Amino acid sequence: AAGVIQSPRHLIKEKRETATLKCYPIPRHDTVYWYQQGPGQDPQFLISFYEKMQSDKGSIPDRFSAQQFSDYHSELNMSSLELGDSALYFCASSLSHLRTEAFFGQGTRLTVV
Amino acid sequence: AQKVTQAQTEISVVEKEDVTLDCVYETRDTTYYLFWYKQPPSGELVFLIRRNSFDEQNEISGRYSWNFQKSTSSFNFTITASQVVDSAVYFCALKAGTASKLTFGTGTRLQVTL
Repeated sequence: AAGVIQSPRHLIKEKRETATLKCYPIPRHDTVYWYQQGPGQDPQFLISFYEKMQSDKGSIPDRFSAQQFSDYHSELNMSSLELGDSALYFCASSLSHLRTEAFFGQGTRLTVV
Repeated sequence: AQKVTQAQTEISVVEKEDVTLDCVYETRDTTYYLFWYKQPPSGELVFLIRRNSFDEQNEISGRYSWNFQKSTSSFNFTITASQVVDSAVYFCALKAGTASKLTFGTGTRLQVTL
């Protein structure tokens, strides 16, 4: 079965650089979520989109922005990267933004040096 | 505000032992959903189960079983006859009210040895 696809899987950037993470949800899923997981921590919610509109916002820094496109894929744009942004970034998708379970991609491991 | 507490940081068991992972949640919403996810060493998050607040039936899936008790705000997860492949970090999570986000517990690292 098709799963959530994230690219790239690994990314190394220098401080103050920008990065773009991409997420392709499971077909027919209308909701996309972004989470950040630091080393040894639980995933922290960043932002979500339902039918291409932002539906919920968590602890996403102002330096980050995201959007969901007409084909439902989503991109997380990160600027002025800091060492503390090094983390595993997960995208998840679900059939509905309220009731159903979210299926996660394999994550993008971002390392800022 | 929502909160999920997984008091057990790490558990070590020998293969074939049964193990229970505890999860306690807090929410003021009457409609909410509880989840368990598994994160193996490879890093991905694997969905295991979803339970809504109106359904307190326990569930069994193979060696996995879940005990949901609203009276104690708990949603515990038991693995019967554990195997080495069960070694992972297990997260309990909560989605409540009209919020779309998941609130995760801090996770329990399960180590199963031979």
